[in-house]
Amino acid sequence: DAGVIQSPRHEVTEMGQEVTLRCKPISGHNSLFWYRQTMMRGLELLIYFNNNVPIDDSGMPEDRFSAKMPNASFSTLKIQPSEPRDSAVYFCASWAGTESNEQFFGPGTRLTVL
Amino acid sequence: QKEVEQDPGPLSVPEGAIVSLNCTYSNSAFQYFMWYRQYSRKGPELLMYTYSSGNKEDGRFTAQVDKSSKYISLFIRDSQPSDSATYLCAMAKIQGAQKLVFGQGTRLTINP
Repeated sequence: DAGVIQSPRHEVTEMGQEVTLRCKPISGHNSLFWYRQTMMRGLELLIYFNNNVPIDDSGMPEDRFSAKMPNASFSTLKIQPSEPRDSAVYFCASWAGTESNEQFFGPGTRLTVL
Repeated sequence: QKEVEQDPGPLSVPEGAIVSLNCTYSNSAFQYFMWYRQYSRKGPELLMYTYSSGNKEDGRFTAQVDKSSKYISLFIRDSQPSDSATYLCAMAKIQGAQKLVFGQGTRLTINP
């Protein structure tokens, strides 16, 4: 199994541009999580999905952020318009369900907004 | 105040030393406690998982939970340079891995 796949691995963009981050969870996992990691705030949960349905988006910082999961094998996190304070590493993680204790993380997307 | 507090370090110790990493938390509803290890430029990976109070040992690693004090620890014996990483504590209220709350992470360096 290839694990959780994220793309791009690095993204550099200018303030005001739209950014789309992509995630492919582990096949068979029915929960998907988006996190943001910064030095100041650590690892924060932004949103998570169960069976492609958003369950809790209370961590999404503002309306500029949106996430979708159109099917079991793909999710996107979009920032529009992007701002310098959005610079962070964004992780996607997937979970197999109540039989498992572990969330499996992808390698992350390092976003820099100039 | 954050639900989970963790000293971000950095912590630097010589090879072979015993390392103690700690987290405190404020929400008594947390029942499940985890330690994740994150190498540089990688995603976190689960290292240890414990339920409620007590100790759990896995090789050189021991996880300890004291719910009465709302305090958890990770001990690394005979530390190796390959243990150099950021260690994040994480907690959950219900069984399984949903809705984890993470500490800020402690950056650990083991010097040869």
